[in-house]
Amino acid sequence: GENVEQHPSTLSVQEGDSAVIKCTYSDSASNYFPWYKQELGKRPQLIIDIRSNVGEKKDQRIAVTLNKTAKHFSLHITETQPEDSAVYFCAAGQNFGNEKLTFGTGTRLTIIP
Amino acid sequence: EPEVTQTPSHQVTQMGQEVILRCVPISNHLYFYWYRQILGQKVEFLVSFYNNEISEKSEIFDDQFSVERPDGSNFTLKIRSTKLEDSAMYFCASSDLGDRGPSGANVLTFGAGSRLTVL
Repeated sequence: GENVEQHPSTLSVQEGDSAVIKCTYSDSASNYFPWYKQELGKRPQLIIDIRSNVGEKKDQRIAVTLNKTAKHFSLHITETQPEDSAVYFCAAGQNFGNEKLTFGTGTRLTIIP
Repeated sequence: EPEVTQTPSHQVTQMGQEVILRCVPISNHLYFYWYRQILGQKVEFLVSFYNNEISEKSEIFDDQFSVERPDGSNFTLKIRSTKLEDSAMYFCASSDLGDRGPSGANVLTFGAGSRLTVL
């Protein structure tokens, strides 16, 4: 089955600086890579996703890159703000309408004002 | 915005007792899921359900777990004889082929979760 590794487990960044979170996956059949943000005690919420036919995607301050050959993908947050503080999970799946997502272990991002 | 709703938000039970967690998926969604998250750990897939049957399940989803769609709106997770290690947040999710996100892929919408504490 799929195995997703995520690093780092914790990350502290000065407000305004950039944050990068990296994930690797094992199953070459995975073709869908979402990122979820989870605030304390809340549900995971999708913030950005990418499919394997795209190498990079950007949405305002958030970008995701995918390297299919190396089987790794990364989340980049620029101009970080205090409200970016949360746990971020990467995930991998095969998007055939049966979304068994395999999640990474999470990164606790703390933005220092 | 449509939501997945879950009840109860928190349940405390004694080891060995049966628990039923309830979910109301988004009304036009056809695929339903249960995930769980042990405190401080990652979200783990339990089971997916489509067309009134289980389409996939993980090794966590053993014989003590079952799912059911008893009517046109509810989707339930039953744990027959709870164990201490079943203590976790259980998330229901739903999706539909017509509900696509920015990348064009199916989007899972999660409920707020049901926290299960087994004593």
